[in-house]
Amino acid sequence: EAGVAQSPRYKIIEKRQSVAFWCNPISGHATLYWYQQILGQGPKLLIQFQNNGVVDDSQLPKDRFSAERLKGVDSTLKIQPAKLEDSAVYLCASSPAPGRYGYTFGSGTRLTVV
Amino acid sequence: GENVEQHPSTLSVQEGDSAVIKCTYSDSASNYFPWYKQELGKGPQLIIDIRSNVGEKKDQRIAVTLNKTAKHFSLHITETQPEDSAVYFCAASIGRDDKIIFGKGTRLHILP
Repeated sequence: EAGVAQSPRYKIIEKRQSVAFWCNPISGHATLYWYQQILGQGPKLLIQFQNNGVVDDSQLPKDRFSAERLKGVDSTLKIQPAKLEDSAVYLCASSPAPGRYGYTFGSGTRLTVV
Repeated sequence: GENVEQHPSTLSVQEGDSAVIKCTYSDSASNYFPWYKQELGKGPQLIIDIRSNVGEKKDQRIAVTLNKTAKHFSLHITETQPEDSAVYFCAASIGRDDKIIFGKGTRLHILP
């Protein structure tokens, strides 16, 4: 089975610029998650989708971050404008259903804001 | 808020010895506890999980124990090998949406 695909793998931008990340989950997985992983820390949940609806975005900094999952498949996460503290790895994960199944993670996008 | 505490943050063991990583959680309603292994440049990979109706689960050299009363769970790796060197994360489901929150990770070094 194909894994979770993410692109790009790396991105370097200047502060105040915008950036977008893309995720293609495992086929048939209804639940999709975006996590932020700052160096040396555990992943922090940003947003959870069930099909194309948002289940939880309580940790998403909505003044600068946005995410969508059109047609319940692919998802994009956008940051506009970026700040230095947004430097992190952005991980996408998917699962058949929330919570009771292990997630499959993509390899992530490493963002550096300079 | 709800959280998962993990320790130690770093652990070094001789090859062939056992390693133990411990976690505690705060949400008494948590019912799913996965463990992930993360190698450099990769996303976390699920290695074992346990549900609240089970006290222990084993898969070859890896075992997980759960004490719901004390709200703590542990990962045990026996006969450690060089390829076990990685960062390990515990996690727990929280809330009615069963979102997964992670501990801060344990960097495991297997010494030759």
